[in-house]
Amino acid sequence: NAGVMQNPRHLVRRRGQEARLRCSPMKGHSHVYWYRQLPEEGLKFMVYLQKENIIDESGMPKERFSAEFPKEGPSILRIQQVVRGDSAAYFCASSLAQGAYEQYFGPGTRLTVT
Amino acid sequence: QQQVKQSPQSLIVQKGGISIINCAYENTAFDYFPWYQQFPGKGPALLIAIRPDVSEKKEGRFTISFNKSAKQFSLHIMDSQPGDSATYFCAANNNNDMRFGAGTRLTVKP
Repeated sequence: NAGVMQNPRHLVRRRGQEARLRCSPMKGHSHVYWYRQLPEEGLKFMVYLQKENIIDESGMPKERFSAEFPKEGPSILRIQQVVRGDSAAYFCASSLAQGAYEQYFGPGTRLTVT
Repeated sequence: QQQVKQSPQSLIVQKGGISIINCAYENTAFDYFPWYQQFPGKGPALLIAIRPDVSEKKEGRFTISFNKSAKQFSLHIMDSQPGDSATYFCAANNNNDMRFGAGTRLTVKP
């Protein structure tokens, strides 16, 4: 029973490039959440998605960040024109359904912007 | 606005001792309170969780104590082991809106 999968595990981008992070939820899970973690800090909620729908994006910056969870394939968090402040660990979590509160996390993608 | 406050920021405990981490929340709409354990370079792993209709939940060496009126909950790790050394996050959830504490770095000395 595979857990939440994220790739790549490490991503290096130069300022101004695009970063694309992928998340495959646990089998049977249809709800995906993205979080950002800065060094020595907690997890900050970014966005909550179901298949083909963004449910809550209140934690996501209004510019340069976007997320999707298509009918087929992984959820993708896209960061356009990255800046050094975007360097962080990005974690994806999934849950079985709304109201099933257990969220299971992936190993994260560590983004470094040079 | 920090909705979940966690303390202490770091904690050092001797092997065999009790580790206690505290959290306080503000929003009374929260109705699910999980604790996550995170090792360096890894994702957070769900450790134990409680709902506000009970005051305590125990799983092995891990116990959550919950005080609804005070809006506080805590994690107790009994017989702490060096392998428990990790960062622990409390969280509070309402309808899939989950807010995390800032984390406690636990070190268990052998």
